[in-house]
Amino acid sequence: QSVLTQPPSASGTPGQRVAISCSGSSSNIGSYTVNWYQQLPGTAPKLLIYTNNQRPSGVPDRFSGSRAGTSASLAISGLQSEDEADYYCAAWDDRLNVVVFGGGTKLTVL
Amino acid sequence: EVQLVESGGGLLQPGGSLRLSCAASGFTFSSYWMNWVRQAPGKGLVWVSRIKNDGSYTDYADSVKGRFTISRDNAKNTLYLQMNNLRVEDTAVYYCVTERGRGWFDPWGQGTLVTVSS
Repeated sequence: QSVLTQPPSASGTPGQRVAISCSGSSSNIGSYTVNWYQQLPGTAPKLLIYTNNQRPSGVPDRFSGSRAGTSASLAISGLQSEDEADYYCAAWDDRLNVVVFGGGTKLTVL
Repeated sequence: EVQLVESGGGLLQPGGSLRLSCAASGFTFSSYWMNWVRQAPGKGLVWVSRIKNDGSYTDYADSVKGRFTISRDNAKNTLYLQMNNLRVEDTAVYYCVTERGRGWFDPWGQGTLVTVSS
């Protein structure tokens, strides 16, 4: 059972917009910034969004992040087949004093 | 190019020991906290351990505390994870990651697989 809760799966068709939620508590998302990672099949995770809504260079602006209260969301607009991957949220938790990850969401492009 | 390259993974029996290494290049290794994150087969990401940039502070997940030791050699730009008394549940791909902020990890290494099985 992960500290941060994500839906196990999400799907969309090419060109659609999808959103992946990440629910936490006051000890993590409610107090600290959220980061998102993309893991393409058979590869290492890659930073996708940092400090809630910042994109590293090279990440398309189709990807956006937001945080409100104790929840965060990753939105992908103009869905493409190459977006098919696992997505993880992460944040610091000051009750556990560790970085906690969501359980991951498998995105399927139909 | 910023790069992390892990090595040292393998197959071993429960109770065994292994040392993972992570060679860093393309950035000032000695300026950053470093972490290990692992991923069991078909499962999600789990934080394992972290070490301060100068090596003066370390921290561990409860599941590995007392069995794993993180260390670094800034002269060699290398991070280590000494794993003792390994258990079947330690089976995972171990990733070396650079900490830019709490929970903000970039880059990630390619990972090294550790399999513990009798």
